[in-house]
Amino acid sequence: EAQVTQNPRYLITVTGKKLTVTCSQNMNHEYMSWYRQDPGLGLRQIYYSMNVEVTDKGDVPEGYKVSRKEKRNFPLILESPSPNQTSLYFCASSRYRVGSLYTEAFFGQGTRLTVV
Amino acid sequence: AQTVTQSQPEMSVQEAETVTLSCTYDTSENNYYLFWYKQPPSRQMILVIRQEAYKQQNATENRFSVNFQKAAKSFSLKISDSQLGDTAMYFCAFMKWRDGANSKLTFGKGITLSVRP
Repeated sequence: EAQVTQNPRYLITVTGKKLTVTCSQNMNHEYMSWYRQDPGLGLRQIYYSMNVEVTDKGDVPEGYKVSRKEKRNFPLILESPSPNQTSLYFCASSRYRVGSLYTEAFFGQGTRLTVV
Repeated sequence: AQTVTQSQPEMSVQEAETVTLSCTYDTSENNYYLFWYKQPPSRQMILVIRQEAYKQQNATENRFSVNFQKAAKSFSLKISDSQLGDTAMYFCAFMKWRDGANSKLTFGKGITLSVRP
């Protein structure tokens, strides 16, 4: 089954304690991205990756890091979480090939993060 | 920068009736895609329907159809024969399409739809 898997689904942590949210896809997609969802703001892109070792900032990258060492994995790292990073996080992947039409983005199940 | 506006925060509809959700967007791009996503209480993001800007024909998927007005930059979603399972938050989203560009989805704020039995 084609899917994007995020872990954990729920996480409560304290300010300043480093954490990683994992994301893995089994569709051999080139493009992966992280979004955060906040009430009244919709979803906003944090970081994205066009392929292995190619990452770039989205609209709200402050306080986050990512890496793309393997095609299937795209972890989101919060080095020193703060309460304003309390949010619902989504990982998404899609196929990307130059000259090809866009295909559907597949989303993970979401990670509810609370920073106290 | 692209923006997507969903001005109605909430809507309610009687089961079996039809409801239309509004969305407007702003862009200077010529090649782009538009989407409606459904987010039920499970939080899963589910693609409902998509529209390519170069296609004049409005997209349809079973009970879901769109009214795409490119000149007016409007993209509304019509849900026919509403069902209780349609109760969810709905997001309108935009994506510009250009080789080498970030395939970022720009989302509206969302609208909460409640279907009444």
